[in-house]
Amino acid sequence: QKEVEQNSGPLSVPEGAIASLNCTYSDRGSQSFFWYRQYSGKSPELIMSIYSNGDKEDGRFTAQLNKASQYVSLLIRDSQPSDSATYLCAVRDTGANSKLTFGKGITLSVRP
Amino acid sequence: NAGVTQTPKFQVLKTGQSMTLQCAQDMNHNSMYWYRQDPGMGLRLIYYSASEGTTDKGEVPNGYNVSRLNKREFSLRLESAAPSQTSVYFCASSSSPTGDKPQHFGDGTRLSIL
Repeated sequence: QKEVEQNSGPLSVPEGAIASLNCTYSDRGSQSFFWYRQYSGKSPELIMSIYSNGDKEDGRFTAQLNKASQYVSLLIRDSQPSDSATYLCAVRDTGANSKLTFGKGITLSVRP
Repeated sequence: NAGVTQTPKFQVLKTGQSMTLQCAQDMNHNSMYWYRQDPGMGLRLIYYSASEGTTDKGEVPNGYNVSRLNKREFSLRLESAAPSQTSVYFCASSSSPTGDKPQHFGDGTRLSIL
């Protein structure tokens, strides 16, 4: 059973701070990684995709991937109260199938 | 620009009743998925369809059946509902049949079984 682990949380940061969300995965051959944001009572929405080692930046969000260490992280700079949500890490399984394995998510609270 | 549409949004059933959750996407995506989300359990895959004409079991398929009606539509059926199937159900779709593109989610169906 492939596993995707996220910090249990919840994580609380003050407004304007950097929030760091981490995720580790067990499938060494995984090649595709995704971060989703889910507001309470809503559906997951894609924030970032990352496929190569290193950093990928999109506005206030930076995804970091280290395949050798099998972790992927999401940094949120200048955190805003509107960033308060649950963040889900998803990893594509290796092989011919098309499944993603999701972590259980970490809840972020940004204090005004 | 509908994306992934799920119906119904809410449903209450009695134990033993059957029902079908409907999902349709208008993005010409190849792959479609059904998940359930329970508190503390994250998203768990029930069934998926990598392409039209194929379906495969996911992590928690027991008690469910699916039909990929055409490229747009993927339905989930509960033949004899049980209280353990009380959950929020999400349908998702992806352009890639190999899973290396993001999945896009519908708004969900909140299902309660009494």
